[in-house]
Amino acid sequence: NAGVTQTPKFQVLKTGQSMTLQCAQDMNHNSMYWYRQDPGMGLRLIYYSASEGTTDKGEVPNGYNVSRLNKREFSLRLESAAPSQTSVYFCASSETGLAPGALAKNIQYFGAGTRLSVL
Amino acid sequence: EDKVVQSPLSLVVHEGDTVTLNCSYEVTNFRSLLWYKQEKKAPTFLFMLTSSGIEKKSGRLSSILDKKELFSILNITATQTGDSAVYLCAVETYGGATNKLIFGTGTLLAVQP
Repeated sequence: NAGVTQTPKFQVLKTGQSMTLQCAQDMNHNSMYWYRQDPGMGLRLIYYSASEGTTDKGEVPNGYNVSRLNKREFSLRLESAAPSQTSVYFCASSETGLAPGALAKNIQYFGAGTRLSVL
Repeated sequence: EDKVVQSPLSLVVHEGDTVTLNCSYEVTNFRSLLWYKQEKKAPTFLFMLTSSGIEKKSGRLSSILDKKELFSILNITATQTGDSAVYLCAVETYGGATNKLIFGTGTLLAVQP
């Protein structure tokens, strides 16, 4: 069982270039998330998708777009990369249970990350 | 503004020591608190805590939540070099169609032989 798979693992971009980070999960989870992790800042939510067909902004959405292609896949796009977007990006997913007795369904499982450098 | 604060920022111990990692929080719509271990790659899930005073335990790791004082601790007994990692605390909040996690900056634990 692969869990959450991210591609690529590493990427170097020049300022102004565009790229798409791919994420796929095979756990039949409803919700998917994109985070960035920077030194001293912890993990910060960029965008999330509560269910197939919906996306919403997180804490730091500027400079990014997302697409929930289907239930399995959630991509993150940088249209014009900037050095401030140098970071490690993580995708996560959860089954998501909103009822009081369903909290265990909200555990988020993470991919291995993409290390992105923008020069 | 929701926030999660972890302490200490980093810690160096020797094998066999016992360590306590701290996590305090101020959030609206608290649902649960989660601990993750992050080695080189993906954060991996350790515990989910929802009720005060009930200890969760897995081998040498244990954790407890105090919802009145708004904090949690993660204990590791008889530490091993394999415990070296960043330990992340996250608080789950609910504010719409799904849950969100607010992360602390983590505690870097180094266990020396």
